[in-house]
Amino acid sequence: EVQLVESGGGLVQPGRSLKLSCAASGFTFSNYGMAWVRQTPTKGLEWVASISTGGGNTYYRDSVKGRFTISRDNAKNTQYLQMDSLRSEDTATYYCARPSVRYYWYFDFWGPGTMVTVSS
Amino acid sequence: DIQMTQSPASLSASLEEIVTITCQASQNIGNWLAWYQQKPGKSPQLLIYGTTSLADGVPSRFSGSRSGTQYSLKISRLQVEDIGIYYCQQASSTPPTFGSGTKLEIK
Repeated sequence: EVQLVESGGGLVQPGRSLKLSCAASGFTFSNYGMAWVRQTPTKGLEWVASISTGGGNTYYRDSVKGRFTISRDNAKNTQYLQMDSLRSEDTATYYCARPSVRYYWYFDFWGPGTMVTVSS
Repeated sequence: DIQMTQSPASLSASLEEIVTITCQASQNIGNWLAWYQQKPGKSPQLLIYGTTSLADGVPSRFSGSRSGTQYSLKISRLQVEDIGIYYCQQASSTPPTFGSGTKLEIK
C-alpha cells in the first residue's frame, strides 16, 4: 500500500525557517519524481515544487523560488522541503504528492498533509 | 500561468442524479487535464487524468470529457460517498494550476 507521511509542520515566525519531511513507503521511491502541493482556504490548491527521480532536476513556483529548496534521499525513501524566509502567505497545509510515473504533472497519491502557520 | 475557472462553486443534488462540473482553461491545454476529489478532512485523490482516463479504483460512474478548452466531470448516478470538493488541474505547462473547486452536497 502506498503511503506518504508528512512531518515538520508547526508555528513559525515570519522570516524564520522550517523543514518538512515526507516519508514514503509501499512503492519504489527512486522510480518516481516527487512534489509538494499546498492548500489554503483562500487560494485553494497550489503546486509548490517538484523534484526528479535522482534529485538532479528541481522546479518551483515563482513565489517560493530562492526561498524554498526541495530535496530527496532515495536511501531513506524521504523527500524534504526546506522553507526559508517564511512569509505569512506561506501559511497552508502542505501535502507531499507523488506524480504519476508516466505523466509527471498528475499527482496520483497524496499524504494527509502537515500544517504550517507563519505568524508572529 | 494558465487559469482554470471552475463552475459551479457549489452544487446540491439528489442521490442517483446526474451531476456535471465544468472547468474552463484560459488557453489551450489539449487533453492535459485531471480531476481530483477531496472528501471532508482528507487529502485530494486523483479521479481522472488525460481528460477521460479513470485512475485506478475509480468507479465507472465518473467520466470526463472535453469541448475545446472547456472540460467536464460527470457523475452519472450520485452516491452518498461522492460528497466532497472536486478540483480540476491542468498539466499542460508549468506551473500546474488548479481550479478553485466545486463543493458537492447531497440534497
